[in-house]
Amino acid sequence: AQSVTQPDIHITVSEGASLELRCNYSYGATPYLFWYVQSPGQGLQLLLKYFSGDTLVQGIKGFEAEFKRSQSSFNLRKPSVHWSDAAEYFCAVGDEYGNKLVFGAGTILRVKS
Amino acid sequence: DADVTQTPRNRITKTGKRIMLECSQTKGHDRMYWYRQDPGLGLRLIYYSFDVKDINKGEISDGYSVSRQAQAKFSLSLESAIPNQTALYFCATSDGTQAEAFFGQGTRLTVV
Repeated sequence: AQSVTQPDIHITVSEGASLELRCNYSYGATPYLFWYVQSPGQGLQLLLKYFSGDTLVQGIKGFEAEFKRSQSSFNLRKPSVHWSDAAEYFCAVGDEYGNKLVFGAGTILRVKS
Repeated sequence: DADVTQTPRNRITKTGKRIMLECSQTKGHDRMYWYRQDPGLGLRLIYYSFDVKDINKGEISDGYSVSRQAQAKFSLSLESAIPNQTALYFCATSDGTQAEAFFGQGTRLTVV
């Protein structure tokens, strides 16, 4: 069965500092991997996705993620965090058609000034 | 207007009551989903539908039912609400090719 683990429930970073959110997945075949962001009171917005090809994918808002098959990881990074990045971030894996997403528990990002 | 609209946005209901959450979309997508979000658990799939005549159970379908009234409409029902169904519910759509899911803004349901 598919599963996603986000080891960090909360992360606090200073504005301007770099960020890395961890995600590990379990999936039998080539995974379809996603990062979503949820701002307070809002729905989920797709940051980026990986299906195949280049293992470093670029997303919106200056985010990037790197797929590492050997580590079953898909970590999200941003070189310089802005206060507006404070939100909850979800990693997800989809089936062979990229549907029926399985989500991690989420990581809440706090940004301190 | 939002591409995926959920109504109501907030609802408080009593234990044992029947309640329906509605979702409509203007994306033209065939695939629609209902997820439930609980703190510390992320989102879990309740039901999904790949077209009007297709309904499938997800990970946590017990206590829920759905109806796909049209390509654009997908409703979730709680036949007899119980307090542990208090959660944030999301509807989502996808076209099955790009595999990007588009989410509504959520319905916060409280069962007292």
